[in-house]
Amino acid sequence: DTEVTQTPKHLVMGMTNKKSLKCEQHMGHRAMYWYKQKAKKPPELMFVYSYEKLSINESVPSRFSPECPNSSLLNLHLHALQPEDSALYLCASSQKAGDGYEQYFGPGTRLTVT
Amino acid sequence: AQKVTQAQTEISVVEKEDVTLDCVYETRDTTYYLFWYKQPPSGELVFLIRRNSFDEQNEISGRYSWNFQKSTSSFNFTITASQVVDSAVYFCALSEARGNDMRFGAGTRLTVKP
Repeated sequence: DTEVTQTPKHLVMGMTNKKSLKCEQHMGHRAMYWYKQKAKKPPELMFVYSYEKLSINESVPSRFSPECPNSSLLNLHLHALQPEDSALYLCASSQKAGDGYEQYFGPGTRLTVT
Repeated sequence: AQKVTQAQTEISVVEKEDVTLDCVYETRDTTYYLFWYKQPPSGELVFLIRRNSFDEQNEISGRYSWNFQKSTSSFNFTITASQVVDSAVYFCALSEARGNDMRFGAGTRLTVKP
């Protein structure tokens, strides 16, 4: 079953709020990813977790804080966001990081920052 | 650094027409992986195919076919007898063997009209 789930589907938050995005996979994958996608643009990599350890942080502002509690779960904690952070946030997983393993994506969380 | 170019921003065809989506890539690695993803209006990225740099065999899957040519650094995608359900944004992506990340092209928006 190639399925990655994400909650919530939609999120509206003010600039002073704290919220979290959640991602879960049950494919036994050991790599998980967060991407940000603005309208009419390709996904941009934010973070890569490999075996529950952060392996890539693409110079993402500290108002985005990832967390990988276990191999199946990936969270993205949000705090003091800006309106320009409004986007579709996609989670993905792959069998391993690197070696060209294909990534499977969740449906995304559409975030609006007001 | 790896780079993927999808020069066609938007393509519009009438149902049952064949359509080819172009993808040109750049990499210094000899081992790399190429991917195609489909993103329908719902937003979820759907994995279509993965190719490694040592396998130049073309592939056919139903109405979909892929043409990988290392000599021209291209990995083109053809949909035969297009259908309205093929309407989506299609992304070509590249992953280098020594990296944990995957870089997307800008995407091609395909509209299939009835």
